[in-house]
Amino acid sequence: GAVVSQHPSWVICKSGTSVKIECRSLDFQATTMFWYRQFPKQSLMLMATSNEGSKATYEQGVEKDKFLINHASLTLSTLTVTSAHPEDSSFYICSASGGGIGMGYTFGSGTRLTVV
Amino acid sequence: TQLLEQSPQFLSIQEGENLTVYCNSSSVFSSLQWYRQEPGEGPVLLVTVVTGGEVKKLKRLTFQFGDARKDSSLHITAAQPGDTGLYLCAGDGAQKLVFGQGTRLTINP
Repeated sequence: GAVVSQHPSWVICKSGTSVKIECRSLDFQATTMFWYRQFPKQSLMLMATSNEGSKATYEQGVEKDKFLINHASLTLSTLTVTSAHPEDSSFYICSASGGGIGMGYTFGSGTRLTVV
Repeated sequence: TQLLEQSPQFLSIQEGENLTVYCNSSSVFSSLQWYRQEPGEGPVLLVTVVTGGEVKKLKRLTFQFGDARKDSSLHITAAQPGDTGLYLCAGDGAQKLVFGQGTRLTINP
């Protein structure tokens, strides 16, 4: 089946630094990738949708200059949290779609970001 | 904005009991998915329902999609401690998934 690899699985960084999270589709081409944020004991909140070769579409309230998304190829999307602060600490999850409604979504294993 | 209301958000029952989780919306979805998520991991797909009125069974889990494709339910029969986890419904609309709030289920031995 379709596999999405997310890396790193956890990261601790100092306040003010930037962190990059990678999301790779291993055995299929992901025309669309999604980035979610999940706070403890809460559901997944969609941050942005990225399509290969174009700018990401951000959900309302998500700062695009803080959460930089790049989807340069059909198998890789990256999320960079710039100038991280403790309130950015969260669980970030990506998912990938092979394209089109009903094609299904495959989720990565998530990245636990802790900003100290 | 499409919203999914999932209930209950927390449920703690004894092993062997039955339970139902509901997912409701005022919007129509092309499909609706149910996921289970373990702590520190990404959601894992349990089932996708596409057709209004559809019923799918996965061992002791029964999933229903409302006739109008606006709501869904997950019924677990004879719950077991291994069923403990976070259950999420998600609606496929406008080529992105919208998640419900999740149901944190605890099955006590």
